[in-house]
Amino acid sequence: AQSVSQHNHHVILSEAASLELGCNYSYGGTVNLFWYVQYPGQHLQLLLKYFSGDPLVKGIKGFEAEFIKSKFSFNLRKPSVQWSDTAEYFCAVNAQGNNRLAFGKGNQVVVIP
Amino acid sequence: ETGVTQSPTHLIKTRGQQVTLRCSSQSGHNTVSWYQQALGQGPQFIFQYYREEENGRGNFPPRFSGLQFPNYSSELNVNALELDDSALYLCASSPPFQNTEAFFGQGTRLTVV
Repeated sequence: AQSVSQHNHHVILSEAASLELGCNYSYGGTVNLFWYVQYPGQHLQLLLKYFSGDPLVKGIKGFEAEFIKSKFSFNLRKPSVQWSDTAEYFCAVNAQGNNRLAFGKGNQVVVIP
Repeated sequence: ETGVTQSPTHLIKTRGQQVTLRCSSQSGHNTVSWYQQALGQGPQFIFQYYREEENGRGNFPPRFSGLQFPNYSSELNVNALELDDSALYLCASSPPFQNTEAFFGQGTRLTVV
């Protein structure tokens, strides 16, 4: 079974600061990788996904993530955050061909105006 | 909005009771998965339904059961409710091909007292 680790559960930063959230997974086979975001009071939304190809993936709202296979990592980055990026961010993984997602515990990000 | 709708949005039940949660999947999606999100945790996979059959189950006891109907909508049933069942229950639907994202509903907040 897959497992996902996210560190620094609570992150507080000022607008215009850069954001990087770490994600490591454990699974021996080929995986699909996702970052989902949950804004206050809203449903989980997909930020970006990686299935294959270029390991640097660009998503919505200026977010990007890099898949490093040798490190089993899929870290999320945004060069300059806005107050509206305040949300909880979840890294998730599934085995290719299998839609069952394993999620990390999430990162609660608060951006101070 | 994802097109995945769940009902009810909130529910309070007493320990030992039974509960049924409902999910309408997005049009064209034939796979529905259910997740439990406890406070401060990431979603955990309960089970998945594909073409009205259970297609995988996470580490949840048999008192968690489900159904999928011909229109691909789904129900999650929990018997003999325990206090630890208090959580946000998320439904996600996926289109009928591999290596795709899941689309989440807003969830049902279940409180067991």
